[in-house]
Amino acid sequence: AQSVTQLDSQVPVFEEAPVELRCNYSSSVSVYLFWYVQYPNQGLQLLLKYLSGSTLVKGINGFEAEFNKSQTSFHLRKPSVHISDTAEYFCAVSEGTGNQFYFGTGTSLTVIP
Amino acid sequence: EAGVVQSPRYKIIEKKQPVAFWCNPISGHNTLYWYLQNLGQGPELLIRYENEEAVDDSQLPKDRFSAERLKGVDSTLKIQPAELGDSAVYLCASSLDRGEQFFGPGTRLTVL
Repeated sequence: AQSVTQLDSQVPVFEEAPVELRCNYSSSVSVYLFWYVQYPNQGLQLLLKYLSGSTLVKGINGFEAEFNKSQTSFHLRKPSVHISDTAEYFCAVSEGTGNQFYFGTGTSLTVIP
Repeated sequence: EAGVVQSPRYKIIEKKQPVAFWCNPISGHNTLYWYLQNLGQGPELLIRYENEEAVDDSQLPKDRFSAERLKGVDSTLKIQPAELGDSAVYLCASSLDRGEQFFGPGTRLTVL
């Protein structure tokens, strides 16, 4: 089974500053990688995904992530955050389309005005 | 297009009582997932259906949890009897042919 590590449980950042949320996974086999965002009392919404191809993936709301196979990482970045980005962010890994998703424990991003 | 619908959104019960959650996936989505999300944790898969068939229920505590998806559309997850440790958010998700998963808003269960 996969193990997904999100090292930072809470990340405070000032508005308009850049942010990086880190995600590492355990397996070196071929994987699919995802970032989801969860606003309070809502379900998870897909931000972006890596299935194959370019290792730099762009998603919604100005987020992007880079797949690094050698470091088994898939860090999420945004060059300038907004107050509305305050939410919980989850990294997820799947070992194949439709196979079980393994989620990290989440990173709570708080954007400070 | 309507998203994944779950009801109820919130449920408070006393321990040892039964409880049921309902999920209606996105129209046409043949794969349905039930996840458990504890406070401060990521979702964990309980069961996955492809049409009517439960293809992965290895993480479902079968002594007290059950699920069904009789017509391959909506699904019900039941707990009987509920325990204090079952307090969590229960998420439903659906996908088409095992593609991207779309999540519902979840049901927050509190067991007193």
